[in-house]
Amino acid sequence: NAGVTQTPKFRVLKTGQSMTLLCAQDMNHEYMYWYRQDPGMGLRLIHYSVGEGTTAKGEVPDGYNVSRLKKQNFLLGLESAAPSQTSVYFCASTFGTPLFFGPGTRLTVL
Amino acid sequence: TQLLEQSPQFLSIQEGENLTVYCNSSSVFSSLQWYRQEPGEGPVLLVTVVTGGEVKKLKRLTFQFGDARKDSSLHITAAQPGDTGLYLCAGGENSGYALNFGKGTSLLVTP
Repeated sequence: NAGVTQTPKFRVLKTGQSMTLLCAQDMNHEYMYWYRQDPGMGLRLIHYSVGEGTTAKGEVPDGYNVSRLKKQNFLLGLESAAPSQTSVYFCASTFGTPLFFGPGTRLTVL
Repeated sequence: TQLLEQSPQFLSIQEGENLTVYCNSSSVFSSLQWYRQEPGEGPVLLVTVVTGGEVKKLKRLTFQFGDARKDSSLHITAAQPGDTGLYLCAGGENSGYALNFGKGTSLLVTP
């Protein structure tokens, strides 16, 4: 089992560009999450999903969109990237507890 | 959003010392989890505590959940360089599906 995988691992964007981060899990988990981690801020929840076809907003959803078309995949989109979105993004999945995290995507917006 | 305050934010100690990390909130949690994160990796679960007053031990790590289920502590005995990392507490609400994380305690253990 690969667990939770994230693509890409690193990315540099210019302000205004768009991109999609892909999260995939092979554990048949119902719940999936996107967090961002910034120095001194801890992990903050962006969006989450409690099942295929469902999404919900977390603590910091502005500037991001998500989709869960397939149970194993959770996509995070940035329509118009801003420097404030420079961060490390973590995807996680679970049946309920604990959370299983991916290795993260380091995104820099110039 | 239920806030979790962790202290201290940073801790630098020498190998063999003992330490305690705290996680406090004004809210009641149905469960509380501790994760450890190493540089360049995602957090990994250490323990989940559910019952007020519960104490769990994981080798040299001792976790305690407060009686009122609002706070928790992590005690490390005889710290080793391999304990270096970011320790995060996360709380679950009685309803809902999202975990709220504290800002973490960054621990450095030097030989």
